[in-house]
Amino acid sequence: GESVGLHLPTLSVQEGDNSIINCAYSNSASDYFIWYKQESGKGPQFIIDIRSNMDKRQGQRVTVLLNKTVKHLSLQIAATQPGDSAVYFCAETAKTSYDKVIFGPGTSLSVIP
Amino acid sequence: DAGITQSPRHKVTETGTPVTLRCHQTENHRYMYWYRQDPGHGLRLIHYSYGVKDTDKGEVSDGYSVSRSKTEDFLLTLESATSSQTSVYFCAISVGGGMGYEQYFGPGTRLTVT
Repeated sequence: GESVGLHLPTLSVQEGDNSIINCAYSNSASDYFIWYKQESGKGPQFIIDIRSNMDKRQGQRVTVLLNKTVKHLSLQIAATQPGDSAVYFCAETAKTSYDKVIFGPGTSLSVIP
Repeated sequence: DAGITQSPRHKVTETGTPVTLRCHQTENHRYMYWYRQDPGHGLRLIHYSYGVKDTDKGEVSDGYSVSRSKTEDFLLTLESATSSQTSVYFCAISVGGGMGYEQYFGPGTRLTVT
């Protein structure tokens, strides 16, 4: 069935290091992927998105990579800061069913000062 | 924050009582959503709306109804609250004129059903 999952439920990184959060998806029809950040007690916050016609997209300190061959998505955070500590979700959807945005369970990122 | 507010922010209610949660947006977005978030399940779509009086069911719609009589307000009603509906509820809107765009979320409502 359709699913979006994360390889690592928790991730601890040293401040200043780069973080990589991974996500696998199973629906080959998915064509739009989003990463969200959720801080404790708050709603998810959009970070970056990517469409299936792209392999890579960069934002401010973040890069999303999409490998359609193995149905894998990753979020890279450069020079991780304490403020990056949060739960990160990937989400997928397909233009045939945009009402079905499927969220992964989340990865908790902890930044060690 | 895309001008999204939710009320109440916290509510404790008893099993069997009806509960209505309100989502209000100030930017005239067409698409609005209600999600619930539970440990181990992530975010799951309850209902969504694609315009005034236009709504449809999501993945976990049983026990919930919605209404949208104005563009800015999207109401979620638990017709007869059960303990399994204890959760954090998030409202969201999507920008860009369609459903296939990033969503922006409200601050959430923590609902406890005793």
